[in-house]
Amino acid sequence: NAGVTQTPKFQVLKTGQSMTLQCAQDMNHNSMYWYRQDPGMGLRLIYYSASEGTTDKGEVPNGYNVSRLNKREFSLRLESAAPSQTSVYFCASRAGINQPQHFGDGTRLSIL
Amino acid sequence: AQSVTQLDSHVSVSEGTPVLLRCNYSSSYSPSLFWYVQHPNKGLQLLLKYTSAATLVKGINGFEAEFKKSETSFHLTKPSAHMSDAAEYFCAAGGSNYKLTFGKGTLLTVNP
Repeated sequence: NAGVTQTPKFQVLKTGQSMTLQCAQDMNHNSMYWYRQDPGMGLRLIYYSASEGTTDKGEVPNGYNVSRLNKREFSLRLESAAPSQTSVYFCASRAGINQPQHFGDGTRLSIL
Repeated sequence: AQSVTQLDSHVSVSEGTPVLLRCNYSSSYSPSLFWYVQHPNKGLQLLLKYTSAATLVKGINGFEAEFKKSETSFHLTKPSAHMSDAAEYFCAAGGSNYKLTFGKGTLLTVNP
């Protein structure tokens, strides 16, 4: 019962470095999401993919890019990391509208 | 626009006493509603969901929530708190698009 798998679990970067966070789901879900979680701010949506082949911006897309590689995989890329992007990143997937999202365990990213 | 307000950022209860975590939503239609729990260093786990069937929804670990349209509320309750319930809880609302709107979370502390 893998569900949503995120890699890596932890990462430390230097300012200006690039990084791709990987996410894969094995539930045949159509929609996938990337969030960041910061203390006191709840979950903020970065990008989402309603279905394979489409991606859309969320609340806080600046500094990020995404790729919906296939139905299973949705990656998040930081082209030039900044300290403000230090956060915990969560990937989620969802079968459809009115269905719950299922979350991975997160990637803890620190940018020095 | 849809919004979710969790009325308490922190709730503290004694073990064996009832738990009440409050959530109000704002929506122009009947949304789908969810409660999630997040334990330290983990992703969000679905507790329960409301999708326009019965207004009293039972979830995992003895939690339940009641949808009250007239009060635009979806409060989470449990008759008797257990130490293992200590975690952060998130209320979320979904609508006619592919996104969920999350509240900022309520931290539940359970005292022995």
